[in-house]
Amino acid sequence: DAEITQSPRHKITETGRQVTLACHQTWNHNNMFWYRQDLGHGLRLIHYSYGVQDTNKGEVSDGYSVSRSNTEDLPLTLESAASSQTSVYFCASSGRSGLDLVYTGELFFGEGSRLTVL
Amino acid sequence: SQKIEQNSEALNIQEGKTATLTCNYTNYSPAYLQWYRQDPGRGPVFLLLIRENEKEKRKERLKVTFDTTLKQSLFHITASQPADSATYLCALDPSYNFNKFYFGSGTKLNVKP
Repeated sequence: DAEITQSPRHKITETGRQVTLACHQTWNHNNMFWYRQDLGHGLRLIHYSYGVQDTNKGEVSDGYSVSRSNTEDLPLTLESAASSQTSVYFCASSGRSGLDLVYTGELFFGEGSRLTVL
Repeated sequence: SQKIEQNSEALNIQEGKTATLTCNYTNYSPAYLQWYRQDPGRGPVFLLLIRENEKEKRKERLKVTFDTTLKQSLFHITASQPADSATYLCALDPSYNFNKFYFGSGTKLNVKP
């Protein structure tokens, strides 16, 4: 079965360190997204990509970067981790599905990566 | 500024009753609106999508309405069960391309036996 996986699931790091969160999907979806979820804020869009070599900034992109070198992966990098980036991060993908390859807009989410910056 | 508002207070209801959750939005003209379910420690799971020209959508015990005049969507679960207890998120797409969804903060539903 197709799936979307995130790693690591839990990470503790120190302020100033570079951190990369991995996201891998086997849906063959063109669209991939990174969200962060914080209490009281819901899911906020960090970066997104509509295909290989395409990346775009979302609502809260400062301090984050992504790259898309293939269809399956969209790693999220925190260049210099800050305590304000302590959060749960979710990767998601969307694309055409079903026998008729209809674009449904449904987002398929990973299980999340909990990041703590000390 | 653009906002998507869901009731931050938990909704507590008795098993068998209908749960109604609200999603209000301002300064958006969404083409699509979705509802997701999220269990603790898990990623959100898609439930329903409704288009701007659809007033109502049903799936089993779930019903979603979309009122673009009121800028509001209602999400109903009929004959609720304790297994329906979760946080429910609404998300909207202001484009017509399914390209990008913005989320509300969610409402926690507790269904008591």
